[in-house]
Amino acid sequence: EDKVVQSPLSLVVHEGDTVTLNCSYEVTNFRSLLWYKQEKKAPTFLFMLTSSGIEKKSGRLSSILDKKELFSILNITATQTGDSAVYLCAGLETSGSRLTFGEGTQLTVNP
Amino acid sequence: DTAVSQTPKYLVTQMGNDKSIKCEQNLGHDTMYWYKQDSKKFLKIMFSYNNKELIINETVPNRFSPKSPDKAHLNLHINSLELGDSAVYFCASSQDGREGYTFGSGTRLTVV
Repeated sequence: EDKVVQSPLSLVVHEGDTVTLNCSYEVTNFRSLLWYKQEKKAPTFLFMLTSSGIEKKSGRLSSILDKKELFSILNITATQTGDSAVYLCAGLETSGSRLTFGEGTQLTVNP
Repeated sequence: DTAVSQTPKYLVTQMGNDKSIKCEQNLGHDTMYWYKQDSKKFLKIMFSYNNKELIINETVPNRFSPKSPDKAHLNLHINSLELGDSAVYFCASSQDGREGYTFGSGTRLTVV
């Protein structure tokens, strides 16, 4: 059975701190690793990582995939209170039919 | 315009009732999904449909029956609702997962 594990499950930081969220995966017929941000409602897409070692960046957020170690990290620099959310990591299998999620990391950024 | 829309947003009902949740996507995607998010925020796939054909059916009680009248719609009907069915149900769509999945805003189902 496919499995995605995220750590830490919960993180509390102060504004301006840098955080690193971790994600390990065991996905049969793995194709890509996805990161989502979930505030109150729908998960919103952040990154899709398919190739190993290539960093993707969007503003203060960046992410990288290690397909040898079956691992990905999401970095957020200079955190802001608006970054407070649950960050979800998910493994996509080859056909695109199944996206398996981890439990998520609850990030709280205090002023 | 909303890309993936679900109705209703909230649903409170008594045990034993039958209810439906509707989902529509206007992205032209071929594949649609239902996910259940429990109180611990864990998102688990329930069903996946590609061009109206069921391709994934996880271990879900047969009280849950998805129906896809066309590739833009995927509805979820639930019979004989139980307390444990209380959760947020998300609909999503993708084009073979190529650019990730797009999620609807969720339906919070509370069974009392």
